Amino acid sequence: GQQVQQSPASLVLQEGENAELQCNFSSTATQLQWFYQSPGGSLVSLLSNPSGTKHTGRLTSTTVTKERRSSLHISSSQTTDSGTYLCAIDPPSGSWQLIFGSGTQLTVMP
Amino acid sequence: EAAVTQSPRNKVAVTGGKVTLSCNQTNNHNNMYWYRQDTGHGLRLIHYSYGAGSTEKGDIPDGYKASRPSQENFSLILELATPSQTSVYFCASGDRRANSDYTFGSGTRLLVI
Repeated sequence: GQQVQQSPASLVLQEGENAELQCNFSSTATQLQWFYQSPGGSLVSLLSNPSGTKHTGRLTSTTVTKERRSSLHISSSQTTDSGTYLCAIDPPSGSWQLIFGSGTQLTVMP
Repeated sequence: EAAVTQSPRNKVAVTGGKVTLSCNQTNNHNNMYWYRQDTGHGLRLIHYSYGAGSTEKGDIPDGYKASRPSQENFSLILELATPSQTSVYFCASGDRRANSDYTFGSGTRLLVI
């Protein structure tokens, strides 16, 4: 079945450094969405980016559909960016069901 | 503001008891979903719905039922709760037709003892 692999599993940065998170998926996707989850919290949608490059604030996502990969770049990280970043895809087969990766746990140290 | 609201936020249930988790959305989305999140497994889809009156099985439906009585409401029912169903449950709504992003509720922490 469809798989979503995220890397790295965890990442520790100093405040101000940039983060690069990766998402690879095993088949084509009609939708790709990045989420943020704070510790013990719910999921907040960051970006929907099935192809190309999108920016919002300090976030940039680049998805190369034919290579089945997406990245999320966080510039000038802040301690409040700490949490788990999840990549999810919606494969093209019929119903709209997001399939999630296991996430990248980001810790930004002051 | 459009939202997905779950209740209760926390629940302790006894093994063998019945548990109902409720979800309400004001997004006017056709599709609603129930996921559970466990350490080591990530988010897994239990049941979903395309609209009022419909329920579909997700990847891990065993031990769970779902009910969608209206566009706004989607419930997850554990008829005979077991300790293995201890988890955090998330409800979400989305609508391919509207090309809208998924919106998640705040989650329900369920402990079955």
